[in-house]
Amino acid sequence: AQTVTQSQPEMSVQEAETVTLSCTYDTSESNYYLFWYKQPPSRQMILVIRQEAYKQQNATENRFSVNFQKAAKSFSLKISDSQLGDTAMYFCALHAGGTSYGKLTFGQGTILTVHP
Amino acid sequence: DGGITQSPKYLFRKEGQNVTLSCEQNLNHDAMYWYRQDPGQGLRLIYYSQIVNDFQKGDIAEGYSVSREKKESFPLTVTSAQKNPTAFYLCASRTGTVNTEAFFGQGTRLTVV
Repeated sequence: AQTVTQSQPEMSVQEAETVTLSCTYDTSESNYYLFWYKQPPSRQMILVIRQEAYKQQNATENRFSVNFQKAAKSFSLKISDSQLGDTAMYFCALHAGGTSYGKLTFGQGTILTVHP
Repeated sequence: DGGITQSPKYLFRKEGQNVTLSCEQNLNHDAMYWYRQDPGQGLRLIYYSQIVNDFQKGDIAEGYSVSREKKESFPLTVTSAQKNPTAFYLCASRTGTVNTEAFFGQGTRLTVV
């Protein structure tokens, strides 16, 4: 079985500041990918960033970066220079190979509010 | 334009009735998914399909059924056996490889009246 846990139901940050969203996961597979998705008020899901388990280097996409701690099964998302448009619900997701191949599992989500 | 389309956007159902939610994609993706979204519970997987004529139960399949007769279509039926069907339903698709992102439809809000 694979699980994804986001323990922060809500977070808030001031515009231009940095915020980190937490995610832990569990899988018995060695080949897997982790994703962060954003769901703005429109409810259209958008990919933010992805990380391959085999890569030690943390992924970055402009203001978004991850801290991937494989041994701890932790995958946090850091948003730098927060903008009002970052206000959304953020989901962590896991897709593994092996016996769970094809199953894309999401966490409970974290609602992020960016204040002016 | 390529994309994934869910219809209808809003759906009302009387208790005891079955209802089918539509999901169509023209991205030539092999895999398709149905999720249910409730406040505080994130996205929970109902069913998924890797190829035509094959699908697997997700974590909350009870009270739901699906079919995958065509690559581009993956309809979800919410049956009368689903105890609490009022929710927001999201359909997604992706290519078959492990590293690719999922693309989502805009969702269907189902309300039981």
